[in-house]
This record gives sequence, structure tokens and C-alpha cells, in this order.
Amino acid sequence: GAGVSQSPSNKVTEKGKDVELRCDPISGHTALYWYRQRLGQGLEFLIYFQGNSAPDKSGLPSDRFSAERTGESVSTLTIQRTQQEDSAVYLCASSLGGRGRWDEQFFGPGTRLTVL
Amino acid sequence: AQKVTQAQTEISVVEKEDVTLDCVYETRDTTYYLFWYKQPPSGELVFLIRRNSFDEQNEISGRYSWNFQKSTSSFNFTITASQVVDSAVYFCAPKAWEGAGSYQLTFGKGTKLSVIP
Repeated sequence: GAGVSQSPSNKVTEKGKDVELRCDPISGHTALYWYRQRLGQGLEFLIYFQGNSAPDKSGLPSDRFSAERTGESVSTLTIQRTQQEDSAVYLCASSLGGRGRWDEQFFGPGTRLTVL
Repeated sequence: AQKVTQAQTEISVVEKEDVTLDCVYETRDTTYYLFWYKQPPSGELVFLIRRNSFDEQNEISGRYSWNFQKSTSSFNFTITASQVVDSAVYFCAPKAWEGAGSYQLTFGKGTKLSVIP
């Protein structure tokens, strides 16, 4: 079956522009996560969606960042008025979710964002 | 909240050598999970292992083995007879068992392993 997919794979934008990143989770996975990975660093948690519950946005670095998810399907991460420090790889992951905390997160290939 | 330290930033070994990647974590939780992920040059993270904190048995899977020492808060990863395909960045990631943020993986900065043919 298909894994987590993300688009675009690469995005170059100018400072101040808005960008939208897309994530298609594995079918049937109720949980979806966004992480950010700066060059040479580990992953930073951004936001978590579980089913129809209110998302946990505690990792979003500023109000320029927002994310949406329709039901248990596609999610979009939007960055408004991009800044150079937003340059990073944005990774999406999904898992079966539900009550189990044990479940493995499956990661997509990421979107590499470069802000000029 | 969890914190993880992977003190080895980069390691180079010659093919067929054994190599151990260190992971030391901090947590206030009495029960928690520990994960290892591999990130090859292609960029996509690959799950390797998960372990819960009340199971201190070491685990072996082929050329991979993990040594969990709760007393020293370490969860080290050994690759035996390394191969060029093992070249990647390896991340150790603790995760809370329950409560706020228990779905988050907390990643360290990773250890970049280069296996030289």
C-alpha cells in the first residue's frame, strides 16, 4: 500500500510570500503529525491531529504557522509571510492513532522549503 | 517532557566493523517509550525499533541490537558487521507513555554514520 506522501517535494519562495504544504497520510491512519527539521538538526514537533479532536498546536513556532486537516484525510500546513528562518524540511507522519500510544509513526519524504 | 542526547555527531567506520551509537535520555515519566529511527540520504525516516520502559530485555534483530539500561537512562544501538547501506543519520526518540504530549516523539540531533567501503 501507499505510504505517506507529501507535496511539493521542494519549494523555493521569496521572503514574505505564503506557502502551503500538503500531506496525504496512510489510509486508515487517524493520527497525523507535522515536524520541522532544520539543517543538521533533529525533528521539532509542530502540530498533531487525532481524528475529529481539536489539534494540538503547541509546537507551532508562531502565529504565521497554521495547519488544517479534513476528517482523517489530507492535511495542509500553511506558513504566512515566510521568513528565512523558516527554511527547513517539513515532515509529515501518520499513525493508527486512537488510544494506543505505542503506535509507530510512518514518515513521508518531506518538503524542502527554501526561503530566499 | 523528554530530552535526548546523542553525543556522537558523526561517526565513520570501515565496512564490516561494529559500531555503537549512544543515546542518553531524560524524562520525568516513570513509564515511557523509546524509539530509534534511521534517516538515509533520501531523507525519509525509517522506523527501527520501539521499546517500553518496563521491558529491559535487550533486543537483537539481525545485525542490529539494542542495549537498554534504565539505571543509566541509556538506549544504545549497535550495528554488527556494518555495511555501506547503513550509512544514514540515526535518531533516538523518547516518547511519554501518557498525558499531555504523549504522542510526540522527542528527537535528538542524531548521529551521522558513514560506512566506508
